[in-house]
Amino acid sequence: EVQLLESGGDLVQPGGSLRLSCAASGFIFSSYAMSWVRQAPGKGLEWVSAITGSGGSTYYADSVKGRFTISRDNSKNTLNLQMNSVRAEDTAIYYCAKNVGAIIAAPDYWGQGTLVTVSS
Amino acid sequence: QTVVTQEPSFSVSPGGTVTLSCGLSSGSVSTSYYPSWYQQTPGQAPRTLIYSTSTRSAGVPDRFSGSILGDKAALTITGAQAHDESDYYCVLYMGSGVWVFGGGTKLTVL
Repeated sequence: EVQLLESGGDLVQPGGSLRLSCAASGFIFSSYAMSWVRQAPGKGLEWVSAITGSGGSTYYADSVKGRFTISRDNSKNTLNLQMNSVRAEDTAIYYCAKNVGAIIAAPDYWGQGTLVTVSS
Repeated sequence: QTVVTQEPSFSVSPGGTVTLSCGLSSGSVSTSYYPSWYQQTPGQAPRTLIYSTSTRSAGVPDRFSGSILGDKAALTITGAQAHDESDYYCVLYMGSGVWVFGGGTKLTVL
């Protein structure tokens, strides 16, 4: 059974940093691309970032490019999202998702999410 | 910037059939956009229904089907049930590794 467990969500001040993690199990982690998708309170889903199975390629939404960094540790089956220079508009539930394939693929399985609140 | 469009809301009668659409503010959706569909109820994580236009995710009943209709991707629900009342989101691949979600459709079953 695929399981994704996010952690690291917290209250952070504008301009601050936060690191989210996602522990994966139930599948061959290195064989699948992974994504982060967020949802602001009362709003729709927003794709944030993705990384290929090998970790060799990363992709970002324009709204986070240059501020967020996605990474993965295939030896520990862990996905990360380093969030720097955060803004109020980054406040959201952040979902970790396993993609359908190793490279270009949509999210398939989802974690339960972790809440990030950016406020002074 | 290209926007992914969805109907803000839709209603269907119990047992009825409804087709939700997913389009582009400029241009037509094709299979090259790998349209995927997700269902979300309040307070829950999204659930994947369809990926790559028409492939059902594991455990999804065949009442849910995906296709391209005209210049849009479509999600068709047949035999609508009360527990199908949810928000439905589509996502499209824009190239260069980037995906964009639509604004979502709130489906009411009444």
